[in-house]
Amino acid sequence: QVQLVESGGGVVQPGRSLRLSCAASGFAFNTLPMHWVRQAPGKGLDWVAIISYHGINKYYADSVKGRFTISRDNSKNTLYLQMDSLRLEDTAVYYCARDHDYLNWGQGTLVTVSS
Amino acid sequence: DIVMTQTPLSSPVTLGQPASISCRSSQSLVHSDGNTYLSWLQQRPGQPPRLLIYKIYNRFSGVPDRFSGSGAGTDFTLKISRVEAEDVGVYYCAQSTQIPHTFGQGTKVEIK
Repeated sequence: QVQLVESGGGVVQPGRSLRLSCAASGFAFNTLPMHWVRQAPGKGLDWVAIISYHGINKYYADSVKGRFTISRDNSKNTLYLQMDSLRLEDTAVYYCARDHDYLNWGQGTLVTVSS
Repeated sequence: DIVMTQTPLSSPVTLGQPASISCRSSQSLVHSDGNTYLSWLQQRPGQPPRLLIYKIYNRFSGVPDRFSGSGAGTDFTLKISRVEAEDVGVYYCAQSTQIPHTFGQGTKVEIK
C-alpha cells in the first residue's frame, strides 16, 4: 500500500536551516508530482511547494520563495524540502502529499522555530 | 491567488442526519485542460488530512459512499448523507487548478 513517511523535523533557531525528507513506497514515485503542505499549530492547511515527477518544474508559495527548496531523488523514492533562513512563522507540521490531487498524505513532521 | 471560502465554519449535526459544506472560489477552477481541480479533505482529530473527493465528485479509494461532491465553476458542495461518529473532524476544500494551490479555512463537523 502507499506509504509516505516524513522525517527531519525538530527544534531550530530563527535563521538556521533544516532539511525534511519524505520516503515514499507502494507506488511509482517517479511518475507523480509531489507536494509539501504545512499546518501551524491549531491552524488550517497551507500549501508550500510542488515538484513535477521528473524534478524539473518547481513552484512555491510566496511565503517561502527564495528560502525553501523542494527536490526529489527518484532513485531513492524520496522527496526533500530544504528550509533555510527559518522564521518563527515557519513553525508547523510539514506533510508530504502524493500527486496533483493530494491522493495520500504522510503523518507529518513537526518543525519548531524558536529562540 | 484564488481564495477558497467555506461555509459554515462549524456544523453540529445529529448522528444519522445529513450534513452539507459549501466551498466558493474567488475565480473559476476550470483548468485549461478542461478539468476542475477541486478536492475535499477530511482531518480527524490528531490525524493527517485524508483525501475524500477529487475533481469535484470523484470519491477516492476506500471512501464511503455517504460522502458525495458536486458543483461547478466557483461553487462546490460536500454532502454527508448520514453522519456517523467517525466523521467528526475538520473538512477542507482545496483547489489545485492554479499555482499557488489554496485551501479553505476548514469546517468543523461535530456531533450534537
